[in-house]
Amino acid sequence: GQSLEQPSEVTAVEGAIVQINCTYQTSGFYGLSWYQQHDGGAPTFLSYNALDGLEETGRFSSFLSRSDSYGYLLLQELQMKDSASYFCAVREDSGGYQKVTFGTGTKLQVIP
Amino acid sequence: DSGVTQTPKHLITATGQRVTLRCSPRSGDLSVYWYQQSLDQGLQFLIQYYNGEERAKGNILERFSAQQFPDLHSELNLSSLELGDSALYFCASTPTESSYNEQFFGPGTRLTVL
Repeated sequence: GQSLEQPSEVTAVEGAIVQINCTYQTSGFYGLSWYQQHDGGAPTFLSYNALDGLEETGRFSSFLSRSDSYGYLLLQELQMKDSASYFCAVREDSGGYQKVTFGTGTKLQVIP
Repeated sequence: DSGVTQTPKHLITATGQRVTLRCSPRSGDLSVYWYQQSLDQGLQFLIQYYNGEERAKGNILERFSAQQFPDLHSELNLSSLELGDSALYFCASTPTESSYNEQFFGPGTRLTVL
């Protein structure tokens, strides 16, 4: 089976930096994705890591350590609009096919 | 706008009823995925279709079924509805059958079972 763990809630101050961690247990691992979802909205893709290291996309960065089965999403220069839920998702092999399993999400609240 | 469309946006029905949710993938995408999201929960993968064929199955109940038509739109059928089926149902699409890192999600259908 597979499992992903991420904190349920995080609060951070506008302009600050926040890190959202994700640990996973799975077989046939291919990569780790991050999605953002505002209340009532659809998930939108943020980043994907297949190899160890840091990927930067503007204010958002994502990190992966395959040996530690661990990744994180780093949000810099936080803005109020960053208040949302953030999901990590594992791309893994499943019975010869690939599938994506989502974590339960981290609700980020940005405060003034 | 992801390019994925879902109808209806909202659906209210009674227990025991049957409903059909519809999804049209982005132009050119051949693979469609269905997810269920209950209140304050993560996305539960239900099923994936690629070019009309079932490709992967998640924790989909036997009361639920899906299909993908030759024009690539997909329908999720939910029958013998229960209160616990109330949720947001999302579909997503990708260009090929592999669950690529980036899935494009539709706006969702909010189902309320009374």
